This record gives sequence, structure tokens and C-alpha cells, in this order.
Amino acid sequence: KAGVTQTPRYLIKTRGQQVTLSCSPISGHRSVSWYQQTPGQGLQFLFEYFSETQRNKGNFPGRFSGRQFSNSRSEMNVSTLELGDSALYLCASSPQNTGELFFGEGSRLTVL
Amino acid sequence: GEDVEQSLFLSVREGDSSVINCTYTDSSSTYLYWYKQEPGAGLQLLTYIFSNMDMKQDQRLTVLLNKKDKHLSLRIADTQTGDSAIYFCAESIAGSQGNLIFGKGTKLSVKP
Repeated sequence: KAGVTQTPRYLIKTRGQQVTLSCSPISGHRSVSWYQQTPGQGLQFLFEYFSETQRNKGNFPGRFSGRQFSNSRSEMNVSTLELGDSALYLCASSPQNTGELFFGEGSRLTVL
Repeated sequence: GEDVEQSLFLSVREGDSSVINCTYTDSSSTYLYWYKQEPGAGLQLLTYIFSNMDMKQDQRLTVLLNKKDKHLSLRIADTQTGDSAIYFCAESIAGSQGNLIFGKGTKLSVKP
């Protein structure tokens, strides 16, 4: 079974631009979560989606948004990029009610 | 709010046992997790334990949970150089499968 797939793996943007990151969950998983990882703040929860509905949202500004499609694939968008948005963005998927949460390799965003 | 604490560094000799400790604050957590992260990679789920268990063993890995003290530990038997990585402890938020609170990570160095 293929794992969680995130694209692109690496990208460089400049301040003020916007970016869209994509995540394909493991086949059959309907729950997708997003995390931001930085050296200073560590791993922080962004949002969680299940069946196209956002179930939970972390403490991030409205510039960070996401969505989930009917095939469970998810995207997250960051608008008006700031230098502090440079991070590894990780997506995770889980089957329902098992406790297992599997992560992808991440998308490394650099904002110049 | 919820918080997860773990020591930042651990150094052991190849063949010894490693014990990584973690404390958490949310007594209503359903699951507690250990993840491994190698340089440039995503998070690999090592093991997780349901909050009503006190021990789980999986090959070289043993997880101990002391719910009264909110203390979780991961023991790696016969530690190998390939085990060198950062190990993250995480707790689930009650009612949310995809929202985890992570510790800052323990960097395990295995010396030959």
C-alpha cells in the first residue's frame, strides 16, 4: 500500500506570494491532518479534515487554510507568505478510530 | 493547556538499551505515540498505546505508561547505529484523532 504522498517536496517562494501544498492520504483513509514543523516551535497542529469537513483547527492566522476533496485528497494554502512561514509542512492520514496516524515526507517551504 | 515534555538528548553505546522518557498533561488523552524522524524525512510511527493499557511490546520496542504520573517511556533494546534519530512523544487531544500535541523531540545518538 502506498504511503502518504505530499507534493511538492521542496519549494521556494518570496514574501507576499501564496502557496498550495497537496496531500494524498493512504488509500481508504478518510481523515487528513496538517502540521507545521519549525526548529523553534517544533510540531504544531494546523487543521484536521474528515469527509471534506474541517473538524479541528490549530492556532494559526487566517492566512492558513485548507480543504479536503471527495477522494480524501487534501490541500493547504498559505497566502501573503511571511519569512516565518518557512517550515516543513507535514500531512498525516488515519483510518477511522484506530489511533494510527501516518505521516508523509513533508513539503519543505522556504520563504525569501 | 496541554503540554508534552521530553529531554532533548540521549547518548548510548551500540548494543545497550535506550530509554526515552516523556511526561504529558492531558489526562483525557486517548492515545499516546512515539514517532521517529531521521534527517530530511517525515515522521515514522513507531508505536502507540491506548490510554487504558500500561505496557505494549513490539519486537525491540517496549512502551510503558504510568497514567497516574502521566509518564510515558520508550525502551529500545539492543540499540543499533541505525536507531540514531529524533524521537517524538505525542498525545492525542480528546475527541480528535488527528490533533496531536508533540514534545520537542529527543535526539538519540548511538556510538559504535
